Amino acid sequence: SQTIHQWPATLVQPVGSPLSLECTVEGTSNPNLYWYRQAAGRGLQLLFYSVGIGQISSEVPQNLSASRPQDRQFILSSKKLLLSDSGFYLCAWTPGQRWEKLFFGSGTQLSVL
Amino acid sequence: LAKTTQPISMDSYEGQEVNITCSHNNIATNDYITWYQQFPSQGPRFIIQGYKTKVTNEVASLFIPADRKSSTLSLPRVSLSDTAVYYCLVGDGFTGGGNKLTFGTGTQLKVEL
Repeated sequence: SQTIHQWPATLVQPVGSPLSLECTVEGTSNPNLYWYRQAAGRGLQLLFYSVGIGQISSEVPQNLSASRPQDRQFILSSKKLLLSDSGFYLCAWTPGQRWEKLFFGSGTQLSVL
Repeated sequence: LAKTTQPISMDSYEGQEVNITCSHNNIATNDYITWYQQFPSQGPRFIIQGYKTKVTNEVASLFIPADRKSSTLSLPRVSLSDTAVYYCLVGDGFTGGGNKLTFGTGTQLKVEL
């Protein structure tokens, strides 16, 4: 069966520090991968999605970036965090050819202080 | 990209049936309609998916009129544990990958005794 791993679960970082969040999917190949962010009390905002290794599409201009170095690995990064980067970050995947449902990771609660 | 519109919040009491409607006026021919449930500090969880008419599973029903410009999630006999945010999601095409799955604002359902 397929599983998705996302870590860390919580993270407290100072303003201006770098960020690296990692997500991996097991039990499938060539998944579509997504990063979402949810600010406190708000809805889900799509940040990045990827249909294959090295292929990244950005939805919202910001100081975040994403990379997909391997088929089932998706990384969210920042060189310098802003206060506004605080939020709940979720990684998700769908089958590559036809999406049926989004499978979400457990999320990372990021607090930038 | 099919944009969705939902009520921001709804209140109900235990044992009642709850209907949450989502508008998606520019839904594309290949788009499916999917509903998710999200509890605080967790990733959204798949509830039900449909293309047209009616779909029913063990937890909910989904009603989609012929023009597919809206859909209604029906939760029978809600309980306190159904208090959550419910999202309507319309797929941005599903062939060949590149799916850009964007969530709407969601509906906060509050169930009381």
